[in-house]
Amino acid sequence: DAKTTQPNSMESNEEEPVHLPCNHSTISGTDYIHWYRQLPSQGPEYVIHGLTSNVNNRMASLAIAEDRKSSTLILHRATLRDAAVYYCILRDFLSNAGKSTFGDGTTLTVKP
Amino acid sequence: DSGVTQTPKHLITATGQRVTLRCSPRSGDLSVYWYQQSLDQGLQFLIHYYNGEERAKGNILERFSAQQFPDLHSELNLSSLELGDSALYFCASSVEGDRGTYEQYFGPGTRLTVT
Repeated sequence: DAKTTQPNSMESNEEEPVHLPCNHSTISGTDYIHWYRQLPSQGPEYVIHGLTSNVNNRMASLAIAEDRKSSTLILHRATLRDAAVYYCILRDFLSNAGKSTFGDGTTLTVKP
Repeated sequence: DSGVTQTPKHLITATGQRVTLRCSPRSGDLSVYWYQQSLDQGLQFLIHYYNGEERAKGNILERFSAQQFPDLHSELNLSSLELGDSALYFCASSVEGDRGTYEQYFGPGTRLTVT
């Protein structure tokens, strides 16, 4: 499985934008980029996903580099409730098998 | 609330014992996935079932087995338990055969403690 690399931790101030980077230099043409987050004592929660074009939803935006070797999850205005571990994973859309390799993720701390 | 339910929430048992964890996927979802999350190993994919059939195996020990029933609920069986099996076990579901385009919805997890 193609791997992703994320910084171990990041800090942000409340109500400021946050850019969470992810490197996936070995991404294949059939890999979707998915982001999940895990709040303390909860199961992971889907955030957003994309293939080639930038994506927006009510939670966040996903910016994908033109060569697809990196992506950035953007939280437009961080709140205290956004403090979580954020995982960037790759999922092959040609495969029927749901192997998803979650790395260590980025622990986001939001300061009031 | 993701719509995925898992029982029990907590389970405490002794080494050598066998336990069964249960997962009910969201209504309409055909795929069920199991993950193990321990402090030192992060979130590890164990196994994926789609509409009753096994689709993929990850880092699942031979002492562990799973199945998905006709009503689509799934059970993860853990036997000959060891202290190192203590972890959070998550179940997730998605709409259909995983082709990477569908998001997974995770349950609240079962915390297993082996003493």
